[in-house]
Amino acid sequence: ETGVTQSPTHLIKTRGQQVTLRCSSQSGHNTVSWYQQALGQGPQFIFQYYREEENGRGNFPPRFSGLQFPNYSSELNVNALELDDSALYLCASTPSEGLAGDGELFFGEGSRLTVL
Amino acid sequence: GESVGLHLPTLSVQEGDNSIINCAYSNSASDYFIWYKQESGKGPQFIIDIRSNMDKRQGQRVTVLLNKTVKHLSLQIAATQPGDSAVYFCAEKRGSYIPTFGRGTSLIVHP
Repeated sequence: ETGVTQSPTHLIKTRGQQVTLRCSSQSGHNTVSWYQQALGQGPQFIFQYYREEENGRGNFPPRFSGLQFPNYSSELNVNALELDDSALYLCASTPSEGLAGDGELFFGEGSRLTVL
Repeated sequence: GESVGLHLPTLSVQEGDNSIINCAYSNSASDYFIWYKQESGKGPQFIIDIRSNMDKRQGQRVTVLLNKTVKHLSLQIAATQPGDSAVYFCAEKRGSYIPTFGRGTSLIVHP
């Protein structure tokens, strides 16, 4: 069974640029959530995708967007990068059906984004 | 506002001691709680969960206690080992809402 994988692991961008982060969910998991984790903080929910539709969103501006593909993999896109976007971006998958499900989130190891 | 917070940002213990990590929550509507462990350079890893209709749940070397009266959650780790060194997060969930994570407590285990 393959766990959650994310790419790239590290990247550096400059202000104003755009970035795309990728996530492959764990085998059999149809729901993917994205979290932003600033240094010394807990993960903050960005949004969740279920059946290729956004299924819940946290307090993040529209320049944070995403996609989910038929194979349940997902992308997080951030436009017009700001210095405060520097963080670890975590993807988590779950076999639960969207927001209604309980159970653990299976996290990837994250993509560390540095914005200069 | 609603929040999930931890009392101590850092906890240092000796190997073999028992560790207790505390977490306060403010929303009495929360019905599901989860503890995660995050080692350096890795994503959070599920440890144990508990529903609001329970007071205690035990796993392997870990016990979660829930006190709904004072909105308090704790994670007890028995016979703490150096491999337990990590940041521990509690998360709360209310119905169909996404889990909300607290800030985390750093556990340092000294050999």
